[in-house]
Amino acid sequence: NAGVTQTPKFQVLKTGQSMTLQCAQDMNHNSMYWYRQDPGMGLRLIYYSASEGTTDKGEVPNGYNVSRLNKREFSLRLESAAPSQTSVYFCASSEVIAGELFFGEGSRLTVL
Amino acid sequence: GENVEQHLSTLSVQEGDSAVIKCTYSDSASNYFPWYKQELGKGPQLIIDIRSNVGEKKDQRIAVTLNKTAKHFSLHITETQPEDSAVYFCAAQGGGATNKLIFGTGTLLAVQP
Repeated sequence: NAGVTQTPKFQVLKTGQSMTLQCAQDMNHNSMYWYRQDPGMGLRLIYYSASEGTTDKGEVPNGYNVSRLNKREFSLRLESAAPSQTSVYFCASSEVIAGELFFGEGSRLTVL
Repeated sequence: GENVEQHLSTLSVQEGDSAVIKCTYSDSASNYFPWYKQELGKGPQLIIDIRSNVGEKKDQRIAVTLNKTAKHFSLHITETQPEDSAVYFCAAQGGGATNKLIFGTGTLLAVQP
């Protein structure tokens, strides 16, 4: 089992460009999440999907959109990237909303 | 909403010593407190968790204690080894319908051989 797979692992964008981070899990989990990790800020929740067909805002949703494509896949879209979105992004999944989170290996995004 | 504070940004110990990392939380309705370990270049991984109906939980060299009155919880690692060197995140599951997990800012533990 691969667990949680994120693509791409690295990306450099120019301000104003758009991109989508892809995430897939093979553990048949119901809930999926997107976090960003910044130095001194810890892990902050961007959006989450408690179950297939639902999405909700986390702590820092501005500038992002998400799509829960099916039970396996949860994508994060930056419509118009800004330097403040330079970060490491982690996708995670859990069997239930209050359960153990399984993280991917992260996607490092730089916005110039 | 919930606010989790992890006051130590770095902690350095000698191999074999114990390490303690403490977190405080604000929402008295929070009822689930996990600890995650993040090794360099990896995603965080759950190492231990505790729910609000118990005061302590142990798993080999790792333990977590919870003080609901004071609203703080701590990670204890005994007989530290170099492979314990990593960033440790505490988290609290906020009360209410959304059940969002709020993380602390992380503590870099360095175990000196």
